Amino acid sequence: LAKTTQPISMDSYEGQEVNITCSHNNIATNDYITWYQQFPSQGPRFIIQGYKTKVTNEVASLFIPADRKSSTLSLPRVSLSDTAVYYCLVGDMRTGGGNKLTFGTGTQLKVEL
Amino acid sequence: DTGVSQNPRHKITKRGQNVTFRCDPISEHNRLYWYRQTLGQGPEFLTYFQNEAQLEKSRLLSDRFSAERPKGSFSTLEIQRTEQGDSAMYLCASSLDRGGIAGAQRGNEQFFGPGTRLTVL
Repeated sequence: LAKTTQPISMDSYEGQEVNITCSHNNIATNDYITWYQQFPSQGPRFIIQGYKTKVTNEVASLFIPADRKSSTLSLPRVSLSDTAVYYCLVGDMRTGGGNKLTFGTGTQLKVEL
Repeated sequence: DTGVSQNPRHKITKRGQNVTFRCDPISEHNRLYWYRQTLGQGPEFLTYFQNEAQLEKSRLLSDRFSAERPKGSFSTLEIQRTEQGDSAMYLCASSLDRGGIAGAQRGNEQFFGPGTRLTVL
């Protein structure tokens, strides 16, 4: 299993860019990097997924260096509604993951005015 | 709403009782997963189905837990002789296995339901 390490918590202000870095030193060749967001009393929600270099969608960007041993989720111009727990996952998504998908404790992002 | 649904949303039971939860995945999704989440922790994988076949089970899934997906659509998770340690949020997720090269390039996003909160007294 590719274990992930993320900061336990981060604080930011509205309008700021937030970067959350995840370490995954033993990532395997077939592993993808996926980020989920979770609000209290809700299931996690997919944010973005990537394999290498940079991926961007309408809500976030994901930066993955060449060695793939870490990744950075970038949230541009956060708002109060971005306050949530963010999970970095590493796993072989091609095969459905199974128990290769492991959620850590995540990063609690708190956005203030 | 065409997302993943779970019922009930909350369940309170006494220790020793049996409980059953239901998950209805997104209709065209062939994979279905069950996770358990306790306070302050991320979800922990329990088991997953490809259509009606249960392909993988975590060691967390003790003999008191059983999951089924009889027709490859909805799934049930049953806990027999509940214990206080079973109190948690039980999450269901589904995904579409695209397979082949396309699947490898795009990955298989999992869509989660709202969960069932179980409290064992």
